[in-house]
Amino acid sequence: DIQMTQSPSSLSASIGDTVTITCRASQSISIYLNWYQETPGKAPKLLISTSSNLQSGVPSRFSGSGSETDFTLTINNVQPEDFATYYCQQSYSNLLTFGPGTKLDFK
Amino acid sequence: QVQLQESGPGLVKTSETLSLTCTVSGYSISSGFYWGWIRQAPGKGLEWVASFFRSGDTFYNPSLKSRATISVDTSKNTFSLKLRSVTAADTAVYYCATPVAKNARYFDLWGRGTLVTVSS
Repeated sequence: DIQMTQSPSSLSASIGDTVTITCRASQSISIYLNWYQETPGKAPKLLISTSSNLQSGVPSRFSGSGSETDFTLTINNVQPEDFATYYCQQSYSNLLTFGPGTKLDFK
Repeated sequence: QVQLQESGPGLVKTSETLSLTCTVSGYSISSGFYWGWIRQAPGKGLEWVASFFRSGDTFYNPSLKSRATISVDTSKNTFSLKLRSVTAADTAVYYCATPVAKNARYFDLWGRGTLVTVSS
């Protein structure tokens, strides 16, 4: 199985900050890395697919990059609605795996 | 508008079988490329459970140790998950989901989720 790790597990930010979340795969997954945002009581929301493709309707302050084993999700100018938990997910293998999540909270 | 809706018992006894159904509306399940189940235990992260392709190929999370089975009922436009021999560790919100894009194995269309509690 492909294992996914994320760092940090949590981070605090203020409105207007820029934050970066890192996701690492245990083997090369090319660009098959997706990012989700989860808020309590709601289904996860896909933000970015295949490393850097911003989904329709997702604010442009979100961006993703990376390939092979190392990926990042960057949020520029953090807004109040961005305080949530973020998960990466690899879709390189038919056995999908999610990262453990990164909780972004208000400083 | 495509919608997914999970349904099933909210409480399952330990060692019994958890059965959930995902009803798809606004789109034929036979036309969809890929469908899946994902769960989230209380206070925990997302865990992929199982997925299937339109071709019939089905994949399960190895951590479930062969306890899971997906089935499809095209006449009802539903797909189902059965998880045998459940324990408290299977207590979770279960989501069904699908990608809007073809040839994708990520999920951008989700049901609202259903909480299943396993208890003796």
